[in-house]
Amino acid sequence: GQQLNQSPQSMFIQEGEDVSMNCTSSSIFNTWLWYKQEPGEGPVLLIALYKAGELTSNGRLTAQFGITRKDSFLNISASIPSDVGIYFCAGQLGWGAQKLVFGQGTRLTINP
Amino acid sequence: AAGVIQSPRHLIKEKRETATLKCYPIPRHDTVYWYQQGPGQDPQFLISFYEKMQSDKGSIPDRFSAQQFSDYHSELNMSSLELGDSALYFCASSVTGGSQETQYFGPGTRLLVL
Repeated sequence: GQQLNQSPQSMFIQEGEDVSMNCTSSSIFNTWLWYKQEPGEGPVLLIALYKAGELTSNGRLTAQFGITRKDSFLNISASIPSDVGIYFCAGQLGWGAQKLVFGQGTRLTINP
Repeated sequence: AAGVIQSPRHLIKEKRETATLKCYPIPRHDTVYWYQQGPGQDPQFLISFYEKMQSDKGSIPDRFSAQQFSDYHSELNMSSLELGDSALYFCASSVTGGSQETQYFGPGTRLLVL
């Protein structure tokens, strides 16, 4: 089946540092999504990407849809304590109510 | 803005019992998806419905069934519960059609099977 390889699996950083994480796949996706999940809660959408090469920002977050449509990255600038959580990439292969395939997640821990 | 609503938020059942999880999509969303997330795992797709018809199916056990009703809400029915069914169950909703079908997730139902 389709798999997304997300890295790193965990990050321990100091407040104020920048963060970068990425996802790669052997499959071509038509949509890439980045979600943040906190313990016991549902994934919250951060950024949605729909076109190859697309670069989108949401405040301190920036994400890009790879040209090959097989990868995506998420950057967080100037991290703050509330950025703590698990970040998931998710890809959708096609349109028409198709499932999301998730990466393994990146657990972000911030030292104040 | 209105979000996806799931009920109940927490559920405790015994082995071999049945459970029903409910999902109310964002208003005007016509598609619902169900995902299961085990501890420390990423969400795994179970099943989806578009306009009350099953549209995609993942690794959903035969003991589970789901449907979408005329008001677009959905229910996931789980029978003969096993210990391994303990997990977080998420519903997501979207609008199908066009080139941007973004799934928005609910807060989840935490199921514990004893």
